[in-house]
Amino acid sequence: EIVMTQSPATLSVSPGERATLSCRASQSVSSNLAWYQQKPGQAPRLLIYGASTRATGIPARFSGSGSGTEFTLTISSLQSEDFAVYYCQQYNNWPPWSFGQGTKLEIK
Amino acid sequence: EVQLVQSGAEVKKPGATVKISCKVSGYTFTDYYMHWVQQAPGKGLEWMGLVDPEDGETIYAEKFQGRVTITADTSTDTAYMELSSLRSEDTAVYYCATDVWRDSPGGWFDPWGQGTLVTVSS
Repeated sequence: EIVMTQSPATLSVSPGERATLSCRASQSVSSNLAWYQQKPGQAPRLLIYGASTRATGIPARFSGSGSGTEFTLTISSLQSEDFAVYYCQQYNNWPPWSFGQGTKLEIK
Repeated sequence: EVQLVQSGAEVKKPGATVKISCKVSGYTFTDYYMHWVQQAPGKGLEWMGLVDPEDGETIYAEKFQGRVTITADTSTDTAYMELSSLRSEDTAVYYCATDVWRDSPGGWFDPWGQGTLVTVSS
């Protein structure tokens, strides 16, 4: 089973600044990695797939990079609506489909 | 518009069984695998299993094997997740989510249902 590890657990950033979230896989997942955003009381929403492709309707301030075992989600200029929990997910080796434990992005 | 609409919140006693539904609209139900994901309060996302609505074939996570049953009713375009022998640790929000790959699992999940809260308490 592939274990996904996200860091940091909590990230405090001011609006307008850049946020960088990390995700590491216990073994290579190639580029088969997705990022989701989850706000309180809501279902996860797809942001990025294929490690770097934005989903439909996702603003350009969201970008993903990486391959193999190291991945990054960058939000270039934080807006108030971006403060949420972010999860990475690998879909390279399944079952199971595995998620990271999440990074909470909070307002500084 | 693609939509996954789940059934409402449930309160169950320990040892009971819960069955949650996920009704699909906006796409051909049998074309895409359906996953179920558990999220305990304040915790992350955990994959439980999937069903191929075309033929009912299932794959379950080891953690839930033996207690979870995922089915699909093609007459109503609805997927179901049944969890038995409930215990307090099963208190969670349960989501259905569509695999993006047509006729095959192995992709990311999009879209997701709105979630169903199951509370297990005596």
